[in-house]
Amino acid sequence: KAGVTQTPRYLIKTRGQQVTLSCSPISGHRSVSWYQQTPGQGLQFLFEYFSETQRNKGNFPGRFSGRQFSNSRSEMNVSTLELGDSALYLCASSLGFSTGVEGYTFGSGTRLTVV
Amino acid sequence: DAKTTQPPSMDCAEGRAANLPCNHSTISGNEYVYWYRQIHSQGPQYIIHGLKNNETNEMASLIITEDRKSSTLILPHATLRDTAVYYCIVRVEAGGTSYGKLTFGQGTILTVHP
Repeated sequence: KAGVTQTPRYLIKTRGQQVTLSCSPISGHRSVSWYQQTPGQGLQFLFEYFSETQRNKGNFPGRFSGRQFSNSRSEMNVSTLELGDSALYLCASSLGFSTGVEGYTFGSGTRLTVV
Repeated sequence: DAKTTQPPSMDCAEGRAANLPCNHSTISGNEYVYWYRQIHSQGPQYIIHGLKNNETNEMASLIITEDRKSSTLILPHATLRDTAVYYCIVRVEAGGTSYGKLTFGQGTILTVHP
């Protein structure tokens, strides 16, 4: 079956702009989680959506937001981009009914560079 | 979630067993030990998890000490493709604030050499 699809794979933006990243989960999965990975901070949890509702949120400023559509696809948006937002953004999908970690499948990520 | 401590890096010869340790001395009774790995430029991949019994699957074995304060991930016959960052994660399996959230440490960079 198809895996988790993240688009685009690479993105270059200018400071102050905004960006939208997309994640299509595995068919049948209703939960999508987002992570930011940087060399300095490692992998950090952003938020999780299930059935179009945000169920959990990490410690990131309000410039980072997300949403989930009825088909479980999710988007995350970063407004007023800063140089420090340059990172690999990963999403993970799961069934969502159990939080057993083995159910999380990660995509290959979107590499965002802010210049 | 309990914190974990892993060595920053390890080496292993191809074909030999790779034994990756993890300390989690503050683990609670309802917390599981999970292992993920991340190969360069890819998303993390689930390997195995356990509560208190040793576990084995097609990828690896997980050995958890009797007091559950430490564990070891064993890759029985390491190959060059096993070169990756390995993360040991301890967390409860239930919901609430755990939904979707994995707390990754710095992990262990395992290098498998010919």
